[in-house]
Parts: sequence; structure tokens; C-alpha cells
Amino acid sequence: GDSVTQMEGPVTLSEEAFLTINCTYTATGYPSLFWYVQYPGEGLQLLLKATKADDKGSNKGFEATYRKETTSFHLEKGSVQVSDSAVYFCALSRPVGSNTGKLIFGQGTTLQVKP
Amino acid sequence: DARVTQTPRHKVTEMGQEVTMRCQPILGHNTVFWYRQTMMQGLELLAYFRNRAPLDDSGMPKDRFSAEMPDATLATLKIQPSEPRDSAVYFCASGAGEKLFFGSGTQLSVL
Repeated sequence: GDSVTQMEGPVTLSEEAFLTINCTYTATGYPSLFWYVQYPGEGLQLLLKATKADDKGSNKGFEATYRKETTSFHLEKGSVQVSDSAVYFCALSRPVGSNTGKLIFGQGTTLQVKP
Repeated sequence: DARVTQTPRHKVTEMGQEVTMRCQPILGHNTVFWYRQTMMQGLELLAYFRNRAPLDDSGMPKDRFSAEMPDATLATLKIQPSEPRDSAVYFCASGAGEKLFFGSGTQLSVL
């Protein structure tokens, strides 16, 4: 079945450092890919998404490119801030028509950014 | 801003008691999900509904868990009887297109 694997955390960086969180997936066909972020005590929020191969999702300085050949969707940011400290989840889904399909999540990667 | 509302935010109960968690999805969203989050298992899909009909509840222990949508503005997740291993944060999410909106969760502790 479909699955998502993320790099283990925690990832600890200094402010303004470059961030990469690796994500690979196992799925047939062309699922949609997502990154969600969870701040302490809150639910998950959509950060960015990509729906087809070579698409790049971007938001708030974060980027991820849908790589079909390597089945990857790595999250990157050029300069992290303390406020980026959170847990990041990679996920895939298979939309059903225009409706939301069920999301399969990776295990989450904790990012800690120190001033 | 429209948001998914979950109640209660926190629940402490004793083993064997019934627990009911409620969710008000965003108006107009036709897909509702229940997820459970634990340190060991991460985010697990328990059940999801489209247009109030259950589509998949394969992730839910059927002997003690039940999920319903009595109307379009309310989804419920019940555990009866509860066990200490049910301690987790339970999230409800509603969907529009490909985007999911999550509630703040119910943190359940079963003693």
C-alpha cells in the first residue's frame, strides 16, 4: 500500500541556516503530495502541495519539488527562523474527483531553530 | 476565519468509562476525517466520511470505537469502554478540494 517515509528528527539548526527535510513515498501512479506543519498545541496546517510530477509547491519561503523519478518531495528553506520551530509532516493522497482523498502521513520531523 | 471546532480540548477519564469526542466541520465541507496521534504511532487515520456516509473505518478498533455523523454540522467519535492505550490526541479534519483543515484536537488521558 501507499506509504511515506521522512527523515528522523529532531533537526536542530541555528537561525538563518539552510533547511532540508527529506521525504520519500511509495505509491503507484501519481498521488498528490503535501507538507503540513504542526505548532505546539495545535492541529496540522497545510504548508504547501504539489499535484503532478515536476510541480514545485512553495509557501512562506518553504519549497518542495515533486520528483517522480526519485519518488521524493524534500522540503527546503533557505534561511530558517526561530518561529519555524515545529513538527513537519509529509503526506500523500489520492483525490477522488474534486474531493479530498485520505491523507497518508509520514512520521513527522521535529525542527528546532535556535537564536 | 472558518475553522474546525473540537470539544472537549482535554479529557481525563478512568478505564472502562465511555468517551465522546465531538467535531464541528467547516460549513460546506463534505469530507470529514478522524486521526489519532501518538508518539509511537504518529498520525493514524481512524475513519472518514463523505457527505456523511462512512467511506473507510478500517483503522478503527471496531469492538470499542464508533464514528458517526448525525448531521452535516456534527461528527462524533466514541470509545466504549476506554482503555489506557487509547490515550492520545484525536484530531478531526474537514476537507475542501485537496486541502484539509484540522481542529486543535482532543487530548485524551485514560487512567
